[in-house]
Amino acid sequence: GAVVSQHPSWVICKSGTSVKIECRSLDFQATTMFWYRQFPKQSLMLMATSNEGSKATYEQGVEKDKFLINHASLTLSTLTVTSAHPEDSSFYICSALGTSGNEQFFGPGTRLTVL
Amino acid sequence: DAKTTQPTSMDCAEGRAANLPCNHSTISGNEYVYWYRQIHSQGPQYIIHGLKNNETNEMASLIITEDRKSSTLILPHATLRDTAVYYCIVNDNNDMRFGAGTRLTVKP
Repeated sequence: GAVVSQHPSWVICKSGTSVKIECRSLDFQATTMFWYRQFPKQSLMLMATSNEGSKATYEQGVEKDKFLINHASLTLSTLTVTSAHPEDSSFYICSALGTSGNEQFFGPGTRLTVL
Repeated sequence: DAKTTQPTSMDCAEGRAANLPCNHSTISGNEYVYWYRQIHSQGPQYIIHGLKNNETNEMASLIITEDRKSSTLILPHATLRDTAVYYCIVNDNNDMRFGAGTRLTVKP
């Protein structure tokens, strides 16, 4: 089946620094990728939809200047959390839309801890 | 703003069938029913999806009522590794929006 990877799997950073998370589709090309955030004991919340070669579409309440998304190729999307603060600590998960257009394949997630 | 309603939690005995219900009374004609599950601290795993007809794959079966207002995911022989949160999602435009899901606990 289709595989999506994320890197890093976990990261700890100091408040005020920026962190980049990569999402790769390993064996298929994905024109559309999605970024989610999940706080402890809560469900996944969609943050933004990323389309290759165009600007990401952000969900209401998600700051586009804080969560920078770049989808420069058909196999890679990146999420940069700028000037991270402790409240940004969360589990960030990406997904990629499969070639059939009916399935999303999720990455293993990245746990971000901001001190 | 999930469009589905699922029980918060369920238990199932190992080796027995697990039947997870989902209500989606406002589903529209072109929306699919998707099921994913999430094991603790991992990304969601795709299980199955369907539009109108019942579907079966190596993981599970999906039974959709004739009026499409509800569905049931069936894990035919649950194992301890099936313990997870199961999400039922309806959509037609591929951005999966997750509700609270059902926490299934498979017990020995």
